[in-house]
Amino acid sequence: QQQVKQSPQSLIVQKGGISIINCAYENTAFDYFPWYQQFPGKGPALLIAIRPDVSEKKEGRFTISFNKSAKQFSLHIMDSQPGDSATYFCAASSGGGSTLGRLYFGRGTQLTVWP
Amino acid sequence: DAGVTQSPTHLIKTRGQQVTLRCSPKSGHDTVSWYQQALGQGPQFIFQYYEEEERQRGNFPDRFSGHQFPNYSSELNVNALLLGDSALYLCASSFMGQAIYNEQFFGPGTRLTVL
Repeated sequence: QQQVKQSPQSLIVQKGGISIINCAYENTAFDYFPWYQQFPGKGPALLIAIRPDVSEKKEGRFTISFNKSAKQFSLHIMDSQPGDSATYFCAASSGGGSTLGRLYFGRGTQLTVWP
Repeated sequence: DAGVTQSPTHLIKTRGQQVTLRCSPKSGHDTVSWYQQALGQGPQFIFQYYEEEERQRGNFPDRFSGHQFPNYSSELNVNALLLGDSALYLCASSFMGQAIYNEQFFGPGTRLTVL
């Protein structure tokens, strides 16, 4: 059972455009939602993360929007650049209980930004 | 400040063999989690070590075992290798004292190929 569902599987955006990746979850115990960026042959790198007490978090060109009632969150990449071409993973975890610290990942979105 | 390091980078084994992968956590971190990432998929949680004990485990068979040393470094052992064990094995480190924030940092991974 996929705890975190991610879409789209792949995304092609023109340079300067906005890239949007969506994720949904079911477990209401999740209270930490990070996004990771992964380049081929590398490990995932933490990009930005959000907690359910805020609806939006922005860091540079990257913004997370969080909808607690809908159990959805999304990553927006503004002014997308060719260097942003990578695979993006959303994830979720719980800050307590028996699964403390365990990250549940989506299947990933392969982003291609055309120059 | 060194990040998470893993060794070896690549490994080729044959079915039935055993393999040991190694991980050194980021400085100041005391918790190590291992993930398996199959090609084109998101990382899947294997297990987590803290205070030299396995704290939680994902849906992986007993062929997968691990160890954490007093210096917080960790090993992942896989016995009786199967073709399906071919994957990128990722180590992630975190600080349990800030578990509620659950920021996990990944190493570059070990690419295991089973022939």
